[in-house]
Amino acid sequence: AQRVTQPEKLLSVFKGAPVELKCNYSYSGSPELFWYVQYSRQRLQLLLRHISRESIKGFTADLNKGETSFHLKKPFAQEEDSAMYYCALGGGGSYIPTFGRGTSLIVHP
Amino acid sequence: NAGVTQTPKFRVLKTGQSMTLLCAQDMNHEYMYWYRQDPGMGLRLIHYSVGEGTTAKGEVPDGYNVSRLKKQNFLLGLESAAPSQTSVYFCASESGGRLDEQYFGPGTRLTVT
Repeated sequence: AQRVTQPEKLLSVFKGAPVELKCNYSYSGSPELFWYVQYSRQRLQLLLRHISRESIKGFTADLNKGETSFHLKKPFAQEEDSAMYYCALGGGGSYIPTFGRGTSLIVHP
Repeated sequence: NAGVTQTPKFRVLKTGQSMTLLCAQDMNHEYMYWYRQDPGMGLRLIHYSVGEGTTAKGEVPDGYNVSRLKKQNFLLGLESAAPSQTSVYFCASESGGRLDEQYFGPGTRLTVT
């Protein structure tokens, strides 16, 4: 069965500090992984996907198949990064999308 | 393009009442999903559809029914609401490829008293 684990419910940092939001997955095939972000009282939106290997708003995430991880990182957190972050194993094709429970990131001034 | 829209935005029901949540998308997407979002539980998939006329159960389907009579619409029904169904409901759609992102609606906040 596929599963996505985000071990931290809450991550609290100060502005300018590095941030790492953890995500581990369990999937027997070749995974397609995403990070979605939800700002306060807004809809979820895609932040980045592993296949594109891009940096969005200073965030990056590298797929580590050996450790089955897809951690989200940013070297210097900003207050506007405060949001709920969800790691997701992609759907479409022949399998059902699976979301982690989310990590709430709070960046203090 | 409006993207993904949901109706209504808010609703308060009494236990035992029924209601239907409507999700509409104008992106010609094949796949549509209904999730519920609860504190500490994240997003859980209720039902999904891989095309017009098809539906399938997700992780937490009990107490809900769905229909996809038109490609652009995905309806979520609660036949007899229970307090445990108090939640924020999100609809999403995607074109169906494995690399595709999901596009989410703004959510419906439902309270069952």
